[in-house]
Amino acid sequence: GAGVSQSPSNKVTEKGKDVELRCDPISGHTALYWYRQSLGQGLEFLIYFQGNSAPDKSGLPSDRFSAERTGGSVSTLTIQRTQQEDSAVYLCASVLGPGETQYFGPGTRLLVL
Amino acid sequence: QQQVKQSPQSLIVQKGGIPIINCAYENTAFDYFPWYQQFPGKGPALLIAIRPDVSEKKEGRFTISFNKSAKQFSLHIMDSQPGDSATYFCAGAGNNRKLIWGLGTSLAVNP
Repeated sequence: GAGVSQSPSNKVTEKGKDVELRCDPISGHTALYWYRQSLGQGLEFLIYFQGNSAPDKSGLPSDRFSAERTGGSVSTLTIQRTQQEDSAVYLCASVLGPGETQYFGPGTRLLVL
Repeated sequence: QQQVKQSPQSLIVQKGGIPIINCAYENTAFDYFPWYQQFPGKGPALLIAIRPDVSEKKEGRFTISFNKSAKQFSLHIMDSQPGDSATYFCAGAGNNRKLIWGLGTSLAVNP
């Protein structure tokens, strides 16, 4: 793959439902970030995976949010019991290694009704 | 100490103008300052970056000016084009390379 892919591109869900957002990073990249971007706002850091180290979860806004990275590659961000304020674009960024450029996917646009 | 303040929030210029976007940081441990460009419906992409050992860096029509003593840096776009219309984000990072982002500037370049 040439770049970072995310799926689904758009997701509409009802309040209270769980959602899973997927990120496929660039092959060989060891680090991965998840961000949230609300309409017209900046990027809010959520979680950071680096190799086999424990993830930096300091940006997760509540215990309804969790993420995992399987086999050091694909990552899934899960939001349980979604709320309307969770509506945003969720961006994933792939990084070759610490200190390297972040390559972003196109994002998943989540709308919670 | 973790904030990066970006201004203006939005900017409109005519084609050929020189939009300037400013950022200020607080953490003196920051040593990496990238600018990212984001088009509607896309993720941000690295545009240009600077380290504090230089005061200016140019890549094509894009220039970063850096003032270490003032803890400020700015992006200048020379001969701006309608295709430059996008949202621009500045950021700063220390040796952990965890980016602290500005809130973004929405730039519109009118034909």
